[in-house]
Amino acid sequence: GAGVSQSPRYKVTKRGQDVALRCDPISGHVSLYWYRQALGQGPEFLTYFNYEAQQDKSGLPNDRFSAERPEGSISTLTIQRTEQRDSAMYRCASSLAGRKGVGPWAKNIQYFGAGTRLSVL
Amino acid sequence: AQSVTQPDIHITVSEGASLELRCNYSYGATPYLFWYVQSPGQGLQLLLKYFSGDTLVQGIKGFEAEFKRSQSSFNLRKPSVHWSDAAEYFCAVGVAQGGSEKLVFGKGTKLTVNP
Repeated sequence: GAGVSQSPRYKVTKRGQDVALRCDPISGHVSLYWYRQALGQGPEFLTYFNYEAQQDKSGLPNDRFSAERPEGSISTLTIQRTEQRDSAMYRCASSLAGRKGVGPWAKNIQYFGAGTRLSVL
Repeated sequence: AQSVTQPDIHITVSEGASLELRCNYSYGATPYLFWYVQSPGQGLQLLLKYFSGDTLVQGIKGFEAEFKRSQSSFNLRKPSVHWSDAAEYFCAVGVAQGGSEKLVFGKGTKLTVNP
């Protein structure tokens, strides 16, 4: 697609419910990232995929959070048994090349979607 | 650990005035530095980046930034601010370690532009 697409744009859920957030990266982009942005803060890294492989999940706060990218394109971030502290903006980014590219960052500009605003009541 | 500090939470300038947003980073290796802008309801848009070479980099919308290794800084500047520049600005450092790559962001600076 023309840009990174995230859905839904807004999600309101009750505490204890599971939510799934979707990210559709720019066509052809190898790498995909999830970030979480609390109010008044900068985005914080959650997890990183290179193709379908989850290379780094060190930023996932606990085991209620998981992510997948089964076919190396669309990714889903799932939060189980949501809590009020999970309320935040969840941002997805994609980039053209991973570590196999020309230098780690030469083509690795991250393009961000508009985000999903999650509110847990 | 890698970190980015943006000392100014909120800056107000008049339209037409010059602007400088401060950014300091902490990173042990050669830094790859970025400035992103976030407008309401929009995603993060890349303004400019520094990978290597000339320490003064030009970006979109008339912005520029200067990398100063001795001061661990990457300040964003614009000679004359327009009302449409009102937004939140984030400085970030690119971190590549092991099999992972990620951006570490500062907390952002919100810019208000007075007419």
